[in-house]
Amino acid sequence: AQTVTQSQPEMSVQEAETVTLSCTYDTSESDYYLFWYKQPPSRQMILVIRQEAYKQQNATENRFSVNFQKAAKSFSLKISDSQLGDAAMYFCAYRWRGNYGQNFVFGPGTRLSVLP
Amino acid sequence: DTAVSQTPKYLVTQMGNDKSIKCEQNLGHDTMYWYKQDSKKFLKIMFSYNNKELIINETVPNRFSPKSPDKAHLNLHINSLELGDSAVYFCASSFNPLYEQYFGPGTRLTVT
Repeated sequence: AQTVTQSQPEMSVQEAETVTLSCTYDTSESDYYLFWYKQPPSRQMILVIRQEAYKQQNATENRFSVNFQKAAKSFSLKISDSQLGDAAMYFCAYRWRGNYGQNFVFGPGTRLSVLP
Repeated sequence: DTAVSQTPKYLVTQMGNDKSIKCEQNLGHDTMYWYKQDSKKFLKIMFSYNNKELIINETVPNRFSPKSPDKAHLNLHINSLELGDSAVYFCASSFNPLYEQYFGPGTRLTVT
């Protein structure tokens, strides 16, 4: 069974600084998707970034970028120039491409605080 | 222009009652989901429908029954509510089961 681990339950970063959230996953599959979702205090789940496993190039989305290491099964999220609005729970998620009946697997989340 | 909407956003009810949570998406997606988020923020999938057909049915009590009248709606009905059902329930949708999901605002259910 696939699992997703986020080893940092909580992290903090100074405003305008850079922070990296870690995510590792366990799978025997080679074709899958990885995602980072953000859940601010408003409770809304927001997609931050998506990575296809077959793509070697790391995905980027404005201040958000990932470091995808397929062999190591690692998928970290880097937030540059942190802003107060980045404070939220961040969830890493995995989805195998092969079977519609398989679900998304979410990690336990990392709570990010941004200090002014 | 709400993409995925849920009603109600808050629901307080007593043990033993039956309640429903409605979900609608206007994104034209084929797949819809229900998740439960517990007090520790852990997200667990409950059900998934693709083109109105159930494709994921995780181990949840049969007091929980999803109903998909059409591709744009996936409602969750809960019978005989228990204290342990208190949680935030999220509806989500995706273009197909492989693509990223778009979440509704969540429904905070409190059972007293």
